[in-house]
Order: sequence, then C-alpha cells, then structure tokens
Amino acid sequence: GAGVSQSPSNKVTEKGKDVELRCDPISGHTALYWYRQSLGQGLEFLIYFQGNSAPDKSGLPSDRFSAERTGGSVSTLTIQRTQQEDSAVYLCASSPRYGGSTDTQYFGPGTRLTVL
Amino acid sequence: GQQLNQSPQSMFIQEGEDVSMNCTSSSIFNTWLWYKQDPGEGPVLLIALYKAGELTSNGRLTAQFGITRKDSFLNISASIPSDVGIYFCAGPSYNTDKLIFGTGTRLQVFP
Repeated sequence: GAGVSQSPSNKVTEKGKDVELRCDPISGHTALYWYRQSLGQGLEFLIYFQGNSAPDKSGLPSDRFSAERTGGSVSTLTIQRTQQEDSAVYLCASSPRYGGSTDTQYFGPGTRLTVL
Repeated sequence: GQQLNQSPQSMFIQEGEDVSMNCTSSSIFNTWLWYKQDPGEGPVLLIALYKAGELTSNGRLTAQFGITRKDSFLNISASIPSDVGIYFCAGPSYNTDKLIFGTGTRLQVFP
C-alpha cells in the first residue's frame, strides 16, 4: 500500500508569507507526528496527533506555527509570517496502533521549505 | 531535558569496511531505536531494542542496548555504497508518546 506522502516536496517562499504543508498518513494509522529537520541537524519534534485526543503541541517553536488534522487523516502544518530561520525540511510520520512512541513511525519524504 | 548524543558526527569509509557508531545519554532509556535516512527521504526504522543488554541483528546491522540503559551501539559489517546516509538513534521521552532523536551520524562509503 501507499506510504506517507507529503506535499509539496519543495516550497520556496518570501519572508513574511504564510505557507501550508500537507501530510497524508498511511490509511488506518491513528497517530501522526510532525518534525522539523534543519540542515545537518537531527529531528526536532513539533506536534503529535493521536486519534480524537487533543494534540500535543509542546514542540511548536512559536505561535506562528499551527497544525490541524481533519477527520483523523490528512494533516496540515501552517507557518504564518515565515522567517528565514523557518527554512528546514518538515517531516511527517504516522504510526499504526495506539500512538505509543515505540510504535514504528513511518516517515514521509518531507517538504523542503526555503524562506528567502 | 533528555538528550541523545551520537558519535562520530560523520564517517568516511571504504566499501567493505566495518562501521561502528554510538549513542549516549545522561538519562535512562527503556527503548532504543535506530533509524536510517537516505538522501532526500524520511528516516526508516532499522532496529528496535527493548531490553538492557539486548543484542539484535538485521542483516549486516547489529545493535546493542547498553547495560546501563544510557547508551546503544550500531555496527555495520562489510559496508556497501547503499549504506550511505544519516543514522539516527531515538528513544521515547519519559512518560510521553514522543520520540527524542539523536543528532545523527553521517556515513559516506567510497568504492
């Protein structure tokens, strides 16, 4: 079956513009995670959705970042008034069962965001 | 907070050589995960370790869960060009559903 997909694969935007990044998780997966990977760095946790529970937003770096997950499936990460330091690869992952962190997380290919 | 430190930061080796990398923390982890990220792709889980002292293999890869629960090692035997990528260790944050990722070891294999 299809894996996690993300769109767009690349996004170039001007400082101050808003951007939306999309994640389609694997069908039936209940948990969805967003991470940020800056150049040469590890993965920085942003936000976590599990079923109908309130999302864990503890990793969002500022109030310019928000995410939603509609119908327990597709998720959108929105960055408002983008800054140059937002440039990074944004990775989405989903996992199948109860969303425990040791469940295998399946990652999408990421969206590379460049803010000029 | 909990952090995972990986070493070395990068490695440049010749095809056929064995590789060893490690991941350490000042905190105890109850699970250790090793992921590989190919260029332009998302990370993929290689090996999961659930018990202190556990030694697990996946083909040419072998990983160990340190006895102190504060470290883990990944070894790759007889490296090949497709082993190129970034290797991340990861472990669950205490009492949450989040994973903490290490800083990564970048592996380059020369023919």
